[in-house]
Amino acid sequence: QKEVEQDPGPLSVPEGAIVSLNCTYSNSAFQYFMWYRQYSRKGPELLMYTYSSGNKEDGRFTAQVDKSSKYISLFIRDSQPSDSATYLCAMMTGNQFYFGTGTSLTVIP
Amino acid sequence: DTGVSQNPRHKITKRGQNVTFRCDPISEHNRLYWYRQTLGQGPEFLTYFQNEAQLEKSRLLSDRFSAERPKGSFSTLEIQRTEQGDSAMYLCASSPNPARIVNTIYFGEGSWLTVV
Repeated sequence: QKEVEQDPGPLSVPEGAIVSLNCTYSNSAFQYFMWYRQYSRKGPELLMYTYSSGNKEDGRFTAQVDKSSKYISLFIRDSQPSDSATYLCAMMTGNQFYFGTGTSLTVIP
Repeated sequence: DTGVSQNPRHKITKRGQNVTFRCDPISEHNRLYWYRQTLGQGPEFLTYFQNEAQLEKSRLLSDRFSAERPKGSFSTLEIQRTEQGDSAMYLCASSPNPARIVNTIYFGEGSWLTVV
């Protein structure tokens, strides 16, 4: 079993829709929970990170962590075509990052 | 451009050849990471440096792989006797602060390797 599981999609939604992306994990030692966005053939860029259970909001993005269920989510409100990318969840413990496989998202105008 | 720079961006090589990738981190970033990402997968940790010291290596880093950071600035990742399974994007990342890596780590655009 991988330490981080993420549905690879692909996910296709109309512009303006609410998008929900999810990951589960098995390692209780994970301390930080991150969401990265990766465009085709580019490096990942950090969208949001959280440390504790609960919600964190940044503009149209909300990150949610439930440590008891070992489950994290990213919600994108009012999705835009420019949000079309692969979204990677990542978790950190010690000096290492553990990434999910990424979910490919397409927002259709 | 003051981001993490990786060269070459693309490399096609024949099986059995050696290849070397270079990473130039953001200036004064003392922590440098190498990751490998295959199609449809997330990045997987290979190794990291604190200045010139290589502090941790993944089991993925077989004896055909070697990474160096001789002066604590740029780093090289060499793959000897390449195999088709080495085809992937090799990502470099750097951070200025080991204590705050989570939001201070920056990834380069990656070096794509295709082994034919």
